[in-house]
Amino acid sequence: QSALTQPASVSGSPGQSITISCTGTSSDVGSYNLVSWYQQHPGKAPKLMIHEVSKRPSGVSSRFSGSKSGNTASLTISGLQAEDEADYYCWSYAATSTSFYVFGTGTKVTVL
Amino acid sequence: QVQLVESGGGVVQPGRSLRLSCAASAFTFSSYGMHWVRQAPGKGLEWVAVISYDGSEIYYADSVKGRFTISRDNSKNTLYLQMNSLRADDTAVYYCASGYSYVVDWGQGTLVTVSS
Repeated sequence: QSALTQPASVSGSPGQSITISCTGTSSDVGSYNLVSWYQQHPGKAPKLMIHEVSKRPSGVSSRFSGSKSGNTASLTISGLQAEDEADYYCWSYAATSTSFYVFGTGTKVTVL
Repeated sequence: QVQLVESGGGVVQPGRSLRLSCAASAFTFSSYGMHWVRQAPGKGLEWVAVISYDGSEIYYADSVKGRFTISRDNSKNTLYLQMNSLRADDTAVYYCASGYSYVVDWGQGTLVTVSS
């Protein structure tokens, strides 16, 4: 099972909105509403930001939102802030013969 | 505050074995599925294995199937990962994480280095 495809990097100025895509296949992202997103700062453990495509856990800023269309999921960060600079990973349930779950390749978000 | 504390990492020679543990506290461990996720130095996250809340369902990534075994002891609130026939490409920080369809909480990770 190949990793889900994410852009290597995305950047934006403070206050702007950015969107990170996560492209899979009809065997993972396209078949299940079980896409989640994780933020990871350098040297730290990941943190859950979005689960089940668009649900935001308690304590996560409303500036983070998720969506899905076909085989591609997206994470949007609005009102970009310096603290949002981090790596972001998508994750999907896959349940194929080769893997049960699959991560995205990761996206480095830079706040200019 | 949920706590997941991994232990057991270290330097090990290729072909040898290592067992990781993850001590859980401040949540009902026996009600949650648990994962192991790893991250090689400078690389992305890689899912390794998952076990259901009662241990009845277990799945592995192809890269570790047949070499790694995930298990849990709900009486001790502890998750395990037995790693056999270790290879250089198993070198990574290993995180234990709670949840099943998605990860709710993560430990801080334990570094495993496979090197002669």
